[in-house]
Amino acid sequence: NAGVTQTPKFQVLKTGQSMTLQCAQDMNHNSMYWYRQDPGMGLRLIYYSASEGTTDKGEVPNGYNVSRLNKREFSLRLESAAPSQTSVYFCASSERSTLGYTFGSGTRLTVV
Amino acid sequence: GQQVMQIPQYQHVQEGEDFTTYCNSSTTLSNIQWYKQRPGGHPVFLIQLVKSGEVKKQKRLTFQFGEAKKNSSLHITATQTTDVGTYFCAGTNSGGYQKVTFGTGTKLQVIP
Repeated sequence: NAGVTQTPKFQVLKTGQSMTLQCAQDMNHNSMYWYRQDPGMGLRLIYYSASEGTTDKGEVPNGYNVSRLNKREFSLRLESAAPSQTSVYFCASSERSTLGYTFGSGTRLTVV
Repeated sequence: GQQVMQIPQYQHVQEGEDFTTYCNSSTTLSNIQWYKQRPGGHPVFLIQLVKSGEVKKQKRLTFQFGEAKKNSSLHITATQTTDVGTYFCAGTNSGGYQKVTFGTGTKLQVIP
């Protein structure tokens, strides 16, 4: 049982490049989330998908887009990367928002 | 919007000493969750508290939810080096779509 799988684990981008972070869960969870983690800032919600077919903005959505491809997969896209997007990105899933989250192992992204 | 504050931000303890982290919300919560993140790792769900005044124990860890459901604490008795990491609380607001807001975390260092 893999839980939540994120790819890639590490990535270096140049300013202006684009990329998509992939996330897949095998627990049949309804809700999925993308967070970024910066030193001293805790976990900040970028986007979430309460259920298949829906997506909503979180606390820090600017510069990002998401796609809930199906119940299993939720991708995060950076259209034009900026140094301010250097961070660790975590995908998470839960049966519903009021239950505990299962996190992926994270993507460490550096934008130079 | 909902804010969840955690104190202290950092804590160094000698192995065997007790440790407590506190979580305070600006609004009433429907539940609170606690997570542990080891250095270089991802957050791992520990527990969820739902009822006013609830107390739950996991071995040396004791979790409390305040009577007003606006604060919570995590107490570790006789810390061990395996307790090293950052502990996050996450509060779920009590109205509308139930969003989860993570606290900024308390980083625990245990000195052998």
